[in-house]
Amino acid sequence: DSGVTQTPKHLITATGQRVTLRCSPRSGDLSVYWYQQSLDQGLQFLIQYYNGEERAKGNILERFSAQQFPDLHSELNLSSLELGDSALYFCASSVGYREPAETQYFGPGTRLLVL
Amino acid sequence: AQSVTQLGSHVSVSEGALVLLRCNYSSSVPPYLFWYVQYPNQGLQLLLKYTSAATLVKGINGFEAEFKKSETSFHLTKPSAHMSDAAEYFCAVSGNNNDMRFGAGTRLTVKP
Repeated sequence: DSGVTQTPKHLITATGQRVTLRCSPRSGDLSVYWYQQSLDQGLQFLIQYYNGEERAKGNILERFSAQQFPDLHSELNLSSLELGDSALYFCASSVGYREPAETQYFGPGTRLLVL
Repeated sequence: AQSVTQLGSHVSVSEGALVLLRCNYSSSVPPYLFWYVQYPNQGLQLLLKYTSAATLVKGINGFEAEFKKSETSFHLTKPSAHMSDAAEYFCAVSGNNNDMRFGAGTRLTVKP
């Protein structure tokens, strides 16, 4: 158990819909990262937040957005969903962001299926 | 830009045999390299990481990896495979923003 929690575990929805994935980081961690794992794209970094502020963006679509709240939990919002958005979405957390070798601890993931 | 390439999407070994999972990196600066393991229906767990302190890095579950700058490699090894080692293994490099850039993964199968 990494200490990172993600809800829901599974999500089934239809094309065009909007969903929200939730992540609670490990106690004491200020950084939250979101990753997408799909069969064709592999594991890809989406976005990072540190203490409520966006720090870095990766291959995140404009239809996707995220935020980190004062209690440090984070939400990833996916809208206008397409079949290709079906994937496993991971959240990870680390203490900070300045150290490049900081260990990121991964949650169990949310499996999204878009029908 | 930093990136990693994992050679071999699937590796199969017999129980008790040597495990060797290959990873090559590309980086214009000294890299920070990681190996993660993903068991079925679970998240990723850190096995070990290289932070330039020592070229031979020991991790959990008997795994180790050696950083070889001349070969731009960071291969993962374990002397004797156990059935419980069957999983997907990901090599990763830390990017400029501390984002992890993962390889495509290597699925390890252990035969009895």
